Amino acid sequence: EPEVTQTPSHQVTQMGQEVILRCVPISNHLYFYWYRQILGQKVEFLVSFYNNEISEKSEIFDDQFSVERPDGSNFTLKIRSTKLEDSAMYFCASDRRGLGANVLTFGAGSRLTVL
Amino acid sequence: SQQGEEDPQALSIQEGENATMNCSYKTSINNLQWYRQNSGRGLVHLILIRSNEREKHSGRLRVTLDTSKKSSSLLITASRAADTASYFCATEGANYRDDKIIFGKGTRLHILP
Repeated sequence: EPEVTQTPSHQVTQMGQEVILRCVPISNHLYFYWYRQILGQKVEFLVSFYNNEISEKSEIFDDQFSVERPDGSNFTLKIRSTKLEDSAMYFCASDRRGLGANVLTFGAGSRLTVL
Repeated sequence: SQQGEEDPQALSIQEGENATMNCSYKTSINNLQWYRQNSGRGLVHLILIRSNEREKHSGRLRVTLDTSKKSSSLLITASRAADTASYFCATEGANYRDDKIIFGKGTRLHILP
């Protein structure tokens, strides 16, 4: 069964450093998302991406965050200058927007620890 | 915000019993979905119910939707130890400008052997 693949599975970084989280969505999916989940808490929407541009973003997705689909395969989330409160699981998801409904397929997540 | 809110936050039941989780949301929706998350893993889609549907079944899962009350329930019948996980409801907004999927806080379900 097709999967969404995320790397790295765990990254530890110092506060202020840049981090890039990578995702390979399912190949025939057209819509891509990043969500984050602070340990034990709710799953929060960060950004959605379609047709090589951001379609929606949340208040969390400030100027420190950016997304890119550089090569038609990878979908990346960059955090320019990490803060302690960026420590969380970051989930990539994609969907094919079939039958008029979004059904998300999630990756296993990237755990980010900011020290 | 269309965010769903589940209750209870945590539920422990004996294996074989039925588990019921509820979800409430705030705005008009196209559909409501339930996802499952095993500890430390990604979310897995379980079932989707559209706004014009009232009940849907999939195996041991039964979902109801009451759009007048803006609420949904997920029933897992004959629970098994492997059902231990967190369950999230998620809503897709009805506004074409706001069709992202928003998740609730989740219910942690623990099935006791």
